[in-house]
Amino acid sequence: SQQGEEDPQALSIQEGENATMNCSYKTSINNLQWYRQNSGRGLVHLILIRSNEREKHSGRLRVTLDTSKKSSSLLITASRAADTASYFCATGEGGSEKLVFGKGTKLTVNP
Amino acid sequence: DSGVTQTPKHLITATGQRVTLRCSPRSGDLSVYWYQQSLDQGLQFLIQYYNGEERAKGNILERFSAQQFPDLHSELNLSSLELGDSALYFCASSVRRGEDTQYFGPGTRLTVL
Repeated sequence: SQQGEEDPQALSIQEGENATMNCSYKTSINNLQWYRQNSGRGLVHLILIRSNEREKHSGRLRVTLDTSKKSSSLLITASRAADTASYFCATGEGGSEKLVFGKGTKLTVNP
Repeated sequence: DSGVTQTPKHLITATGQRVTLRCSPRSGDLSVYWYQQSLDQGLQFLIQYYNGEERAKGNILERFSAQQFPDLHSELNLSSLELGDSALYFCASSVRRGEDTQYFGPGTRLTVL
């Protein structure tokens, strides 16, 4: 079953613009992680935010978490063509050790 | 490079056959997770091992089995293969279990003809 659901499903922007992707989930979580996947390749871990954190930064990435709304957002600033990929949120459900992934947002950054 | 290795990268086989996918976790990681990624189902958790013992099971078919060996590498065995088993199979590892970042390998692309 899908826990995290990303929105939008697809996003196309120009280089230099910011990209925002949202993720909603259903149950209580220990943490929420964002991953990037280039076409047909492995998943690259971007950032982990714990349930007691509200915001986290890593380079051009900014992640927010609102546990009251069961939602998270990933902001990529000053996007580059190399950011073109699918982005997934994954939640570690309370008491569970597995990650439950959403279906992803396919980001295209046009040069 | 995540430090997680998977072999083979590609596998093409016929229906009814049996295959074994291999995963070596990052040095020091005790937990290994297996995921299946298909176009219709997305990324699905299959099974987790921690230090040689099964810890959690997800949507893993009875035709599939896995194990983790004393050197912590893991194998996923898929038998009586069907066309619908064609997918990318990922292995991930983490230091402990639960609340740690999972690092993914490059995956094995399985094609069942």
